[in-house]
Amino acid sequence: RKEVEQDPGPFNVPEGATVAFNCTYSNSASQSFFWYRQDCRKEPKLLMSVYSSGNEDGRFTAQLNRASQYISLLIRDSKLSDSATYLCVVNHRGSSNTGKLIFGQGTTLQVKP
Amino acid sequence: DGGITQSPKYLFRKEGQNVTLSCEQNLNHDAMYWYRQDPGQGLRLIYYSQIVNDFQKGDIAEGYSVSREKKESFPLTVTSAQKNPTAFYLCASSPQGAKNIQYFGAGTRLSVL
Repeated sequence: RKEVEQDPGPFNVPEGATVAFNCTYSNSASQSFFWYRQDCRKEPKLLMSVYSSGNEDGRFTAQLNRASQYISLLIRDSKLSDSATYLCVVNHRGSSNTGKLIFGQGTTLQVKP
Repeated sequence: DGGITQSPKYLFRKEGQNVTLSCEQNLNHDAMYWYRQDPGQGLRLIYYSQIVNDFQKGDIAEGYSVSREKKESFPLTVTSAQKNPTAFYLCASSPQGAKNIQYFGAGTRLSVL
């Protein structure tokens, strides 16, 4: 079983739609959580950190459910420019000093006009 | 402009050849990382370095070597012992106080001739 699992998609949605991705992690010692965005054939870039209480950044909302060990990302009012692969990333307690991150395989979003 | 520069962008390796991928950063970050990304898979950690003249193996270090003689530079050598080197190689760095936040270079695509 992969340590961080995501549905690879692709998720095909029309502009303006709301779309949500989930990610599950297997290690209960996971301490920090992030969503990175990766455009086609480009490098990943941090989209947002995920806090225990949930957090929002414009059209993006991230939530964490420690009991069920999953993280979600909600995108409202999808834009064509949101088309990308979204990587779920975690690290473990004790790994925070080394920065060893565990990456999911990513969920691909295609926003259609 | 501060950032991470990887070169070359594309690299071809002949059978039995060692090749070196360059990674330079001018962000004054202490920690640097090398990842490998295969199609449809998450990033996997090859090597990481938290400080000059020190580095540790990641999850898939076999067939690779690194050096960290300068803070700015963390080159990766793909040796002939790496039997499946075709992949997208990404270098990243992170600041001392926020090792979970990693900044990536644009990557090097390595193929075998």
